[in-house]
Amino acid sequence: GAVVSQHPSRVICKSGTSVKIECRSLDFQATTMFWYRQFPKKSLMLMATSNEGSKATYEQGVEKDKFLINHASLTLSTLTVTSAHPEDSSFYICSGKQGGTEAFFGQGTRLTVV
Amino acid sequence: ELKVEQNPLFLSMQEGKNYTIYCNYSTTSDRLYWYRQDPGKSLESLFVLLSNGAVKQEGRLMASLDTKARLSTLHITAAVHDLSATYFCAVDMGRNQGGKLIFGQGTELSVKP
Repeated sequence: GAVVSQHPSRVICKSGTSVKIECRSLDFQATTMFWYRQFPKKSLMLMATSNEGSKATYEQGVEKDKFLINHASLTLSTLTVTSAHPEDSSFYICSGKQGGTEAFFGQGTRLTVV
Repeated sequence: ELKVEQNPLFLSMQEGKNYTIYCNYSTTSDRLYWYRQDPGKSLESLFVLLSNGAVKQEGRLMASLDTKARLSTLHITAAVHDLSATYFCAVDMGRNQGGKLIFGQGTELSVKP
């Protein structure tokens, strides 16, 4: 399958700071990127869908000013958690797809806000 | 609102036994995925089911899709310890919704010797 590279795999940040997570498609052009959040022992919750060159579409209840998503190229999408707080601590996973094909998942990022 | 429900949510099996995980969903879709997740890791794609009646097998796992019943199953044959993980089904919402996936709650499988 295609490869999606997500970095960093783990990050610890202080409350009030911002942190950026990168998601790159290495061997295909990701026309659509998805960002998910997962709490311990829970399922994946879709946060937003982004299409290259367009504004992201956020799911209900997800604060778009807090979770900034950029999809400026066909191989890179970023999620920035702004003014992070401990309740933002979670496992964040991106996935990318090209057209109507299967989506491929990144390795995930474990965010801890202290 | 689409609901994707898996059962059971927890499954403790003995090695060598067979079992089935069920995934029911509440809206029309003809594309469904099964994933495996190990603790602390991301998702590993197991099966892509693209049409009604699709059946796929890989090793001790077999998945099927019945779009009319809105049901997919993941059957485990002669379980081994290495299959211990959490298994998710995910329903593709289709092109009109950008192809986003909605996940079931997950089934935590523990295979004991």
